[in-house]
Amino acid sequence: EDQVTQSPEALRLQEGESSSLNCSYTVSGLRGLFWYRQDPGKGPEFLFTLYSAGEEKEKERLKATLTKKESFLHITAPKPEDSATYLCAVQGWNQGGKLIFGQGTELSVKP
Amino acid sequence: GAVVSQHPSWVICKSGTSVKIECRSLDFQATTMFWYRQFPKQSLMLMATSNEGSKATYEQGVEKDKFLINHASLTLSTLTVTSAHPEDSSFYICSARDLGDSNQPQHFGDGTRLSIL
Repeated sequence: EDQVTQSPEALRLQEGESSSLNCSYTVSGLRGLFWYRQDPGKGPEFLFTLYSAGEEKEKERLKATLTKKESFLHITAPKPEDSATYLCAVQGWNQGGKLIFGQGTELSVKP
Repeated sequence: GAVVSQHPSWVICKSGTSVKIECRSLDFQATTMFWYRQFPKQSLMLMATSNEGSKATYEQGVEKDKFLINHASLTLSTLTVTSAHPEDSSFYICSARDLGDSNQPQHFGDGTRLSIL
């Protein structure tokens, strides 16, 4: 069964304190791994797609990496506006585009 | 960028009422749209996959007669919660993917907060 587990559930950082969020997954044939950001009361906002082990993508203070079993979202020198819930999701082949989401990591960055 | 619009954003109604939620892709066409449900502090759970011109595919445990889905065009899918009860109160979110590129990610609407009294 396809499964996604994110850790930690919650993370509190001081502004400028870099850290990483983890996403462990099992899927029968990975088509893509996705990172989204979700603000309270809003829908998820797309950040990155990773397709194969070793791939990395960056956007401002965020960098996503992928191995065969997990993905990391590295946050460098975070700012308070980076506070949100970060969701990881996987899509397998032959699943009609369905995404399996993890439970998310709630990030809080204090000034 | 791809924009998905969801309406209404917030609904409060009495028990027994049916509620319709619209999901539109504004600047792209989507053969497939997805409907999710999210409870507080929990992740998104896929309810059903909405296919333009055909019947929706429901996930296990989701009542198809309770949650009616219509996908009449390449830019519009609707979810109707029939005879809603307090336990149906939740945050409902739709997503869509651009027909023209299967590698494009799903883009999400801003959700509908449904509260049944």
